Amino acid sequence: NAGVTQTPKFQVLKTGQSMTLQCAQDMNHNSMYWYRQDPGMGLRLIYYSASEGTTDKGEVPNGYNVSRLNKREFSLRLESAAPSQTSVYFCATRLAGEGELFFGEGSRLTVL
Amino acid sequence: GENVEQHPSTLSVQEGDSAVIKCTYSDSASNYFPWYKQELGKRPQLIIDIRSNVGEKKDQRIAVTLNKTAKHFSLHITETQPEDSAVYFCAGHMNTGFQKLVFGTGTRLLVSP
Repeated sequence: NAGVTQTPKFQVLKTGQSMTLQCAQDMNHNSMYWYRQDPGMGLRLIYYSASEGTTDKGEVPNGYNVSRLNKREFSLRLESAAPSQTSVYFCATRLAGEGELFFGEGSRLTVL
Repeated sequence: GENVEQHPSTLSVQEGDSAVIKCTYSDSASNYFPWYKQELGKRPQLIIDIRSNVGEKKDQRIAVTLNKTAKHFSLHITETQPEDSAVYFCAGHMNTGFQKLVFGTGTRLLVSP
């Protein structure tokens, strides 16, 4: 089992370009999350999906969109990248409302 | 909404000493409090969690205590070892039908041999 797989692992964009971060899990979990991690600011929740077919905003949703494509996949899209979106992005999943959150390896995004 | 504050931001100890990291939360409805450890360049991983019906939980050298009245919880690491060096995050969870887990800003623990 791969657990939680994120692609790509590294990406460099120019301001204004768009891209999609992909996340797939084979753990049969219901809930999926996207966090960004910046120095000194911990992990901030961008969007989450409590179950297939639902998505909700987290703490910092501006500039992002998400799609819960099916139970396994949850993608994060940047429509027009800005330097402020330079960060490490983590996808995470868990079975339901409580319990352990399982993280992917992270995707390092640089916006020039 | 839920707000979680974590202190200190950095903590340096000698091997064998104890380390304590504290978090406070704002939402009295919170009922689940996990702690995650993130080693350099790695993903965060759960090390211990506590639910609101429990005051303390231990797992070998780590323990978490919860004071619901004061709305704070703490991570205690005893007999620290160099491999304990990492960033530690606390988190708070709202049980209002939401699935939101909000993290503190992290504590960088350095254990010197």
